[in-house]
Amino acid sequence: KAGVTQTPRYLIKTRGQQVTLSCSPISGHRSVSWYQQTPGQGLQFLFEYFSETQRNKGNFPGRFSGRQFSNSRSEMNVSTLELGDSALYLCASSQTGDYSGYTFGSGTRLTVV
Amino acid sequence: AQSVTQPDIHITVSEGASLELRCNYSYGATPYLFWYVQSPGQGLQLLLKYFSGDTLVQGIKGFEAEFKRSQSSFNLRKPSVHWSDAAEYFCAAIMYKLIFGTGTRLQVFP
Repeated sequence: KAGVTQTPRYLIKTRGQQVTLSCSPISGHRSVSWYQQTPGQGLQFLFEYFSETQRNKGNFPGRFSGRQFSNSRSEMNVSTLELGDSALYLCASSQTGDYSGYTFGSGTRLTVV
Repeated sequence: AQSVTQPDIHITVSEGASLELRCNYSYGATPYLFWYVQSPGQGLQLLLKYFSGDTLVQGIKGFEAEFKRSQSSFNLRKPSVHWSDAAEYFCAAIMYKLIFGTGTRLQVFP
């Protein structure tokens, strides 16, 4: 079956702009989580959605937001981009989000200039 | 505080040598534990996971991990490393959410 699909694969944006990233989970998976990966901070949890509801949230400013649609696809939005937002953004899906394990997408590489 | 610690930032081994990557967790109970591998510019691939039961877990690519409750550890092992194993390895645990260690970069010399 198809894996977790993240689009776009690469993105270059200017400071102050906003960006929307997309994640399509594995069919049947209802949980989608987002992570930010940077060389300095490692893998940081952003938020998790389950059946269109945000179930968990990490310690990121309100500029970072997300949502999940009824087909479990999820989007992540970052407003007023800062240089420090440059990172690899990873999406992971799981059936229930607790014990079943997560499958990760290849990520979206965001560069803010 | 809930955390996952990988004490080794960088490990270098020769091809064919054995490998052990260390992982410790801090949590009030036994979390679900995972090892992931990441090649440059790629996402994370699940190597193996531990939920309960047998403390020695077999994974893909010839990797195994042993859970030791007394040491709060979940170390990853491979008896003979291949050059293609060079990558970054992340230990992770579910403690209400998936928490990652800082990763161990593995370099393999021919």
